[in-house]
This record gives sequence, structure tokens and C-alpha cells, in this order.
Amino acid sequence: AQSVTQPDIHITVSEGASLELRCNYSYGATPYLFWYVQSPGQGLQLLLKYFSGDTLVQGIKGFEAEFKRSQSSFNLRKPSVHWSDAAEYFCAVGAGGTSYGKLTFGQGTILTVHP
Amino acid sequence: DAGVTQSPTHLIKTRGQQVTLRCSPKSGHDTVSWYQQALGQGPQFIFQYYEEEERQRGNFPDRFSGHQFPNYSSELNVNALLLGDSALYLCASSSAREGLGIEQFFGPGTRLTVL
Repeated sequence: AQSVTQPDIHITVSEGASLELRCNYSYGATPYLFWYVQSPGQGLQLLLKYFSGDTLVQGIKGFEAEFKRSQSSFNLRKPSVHWSDAAEYFCAVGAGGTSYGKLTFGQGTILTVHP
Repeated sequence: DAGVTQSPTHLIKTRGQQVTLRCSPKSGHDTVSWYQQALGQGPQFIFQYYEEEERQRGNFPDRFSGHQFPNYSSELNVNALLLGDSALYLCASSSAREGLGIEQFFGPGTRLTVL
């Protein structure tokens, strides 16, 4: 069974500081990995995805993530955080084949940005 | 190009009642998945519909059922509502021909409150 762990429930950073959100996954085969962002009361917006190939993937809003198979991690990074980045971030793992793309999400990390 | 739409936005029901939530997928998408997101949690997979059939189901009781129509729109029905069914219900659509059938686009959700 696939699972996702986001160790940090809540992270606070200052505007302009760098950001790294951690994500560890458990999956027997090659994972398909996603980061989504959710503003309060809203749905999920896809930030970036990893299917295969280059392990450093670029997303929207200046975010990037690095897939490290040896560490079963897919951490999200941003070099300089903006106040508008305050939201909740979810890491998810998807499975192909007979799982038909079911997504398993982590518990989420709430990001607070101080001015 | 309309994204995923859901109705209603908010809903209040009492225990024991039944509820129907609706979803229209993104244009060109043929697959609809439903997720339940309890407060402070990540989304949990309920089931997925493709070609008007339930293709995969998560760990939810039979009180949760669904339907997909020929135009790919979908309904989620919940019978005999419990207080614990209070959550944000998210619909996601995908295409079997794009993004490995795994990349899912989410709607804004329906907030269900059970009193």
C-alpha cells in the first residue's frame, strides 16, 4: 500500500527567506509524485509533478522539487517566499496500472509567512 | 476553458439524511475521482468513475455511492449521514489519454456539515 508522510505540520518563515517542505513516500514501484497547494476553503492546485526523467522538477509560482529515490523523498523548495505563498501544501503519490491513478495524500504542511 | 466545477458550494444536513453532490469534469476529461477531506487532514480517496462504472474504491462504507453520466459528469451520494461525514468533498478529473491518466485537476469542493 502506498503512503505519504509530511513530517512538519506547521512551518513559519519570513518573507524573502528560503523554504523547504519535506515529503517522504512509501510505494513498491516507481512512484508518481505531486505537490498541491490549498488556500483556505479552496480546492487543490497542482504545483508540480514527477513521473520520470530529471529528478529536479520545476513547477508554477517558482517552486521546485527534487525526487530522491534512495531517501524515498520528494521535498518542495522555493528560494524566496512571498506573503502570497501562505497556504497548506500537500504531497501526494499516485499509482498507475490497476490502481488507475488513485492519489494518496500526506497530512499537509501549513505555511505561515511573516512580513 | 472551464475547470472542474462542483455544486453546491455548501450544504447543511442532519444526521440520518441523504445528500447528493455534483461534479462536472474539466473539458476533455473522462475520469472523475472523489475525495473526502476532513478538517486538518489530507484528502482521502473515496472512489473513481470511468466509462460510467466505479473503477476503484477506497476504504469507505457502502453508504457512499456514486454515478457517472454519459457526459462524464458525476454524482456522489451519501446515505444515513453521520456527524463524522462532515468534511470538504473534492472532485477531481483526469484523462485516460493525458498525464498517464494520473494527473488530476481538482474542483473547489463542497463543504458538507452534518448536524
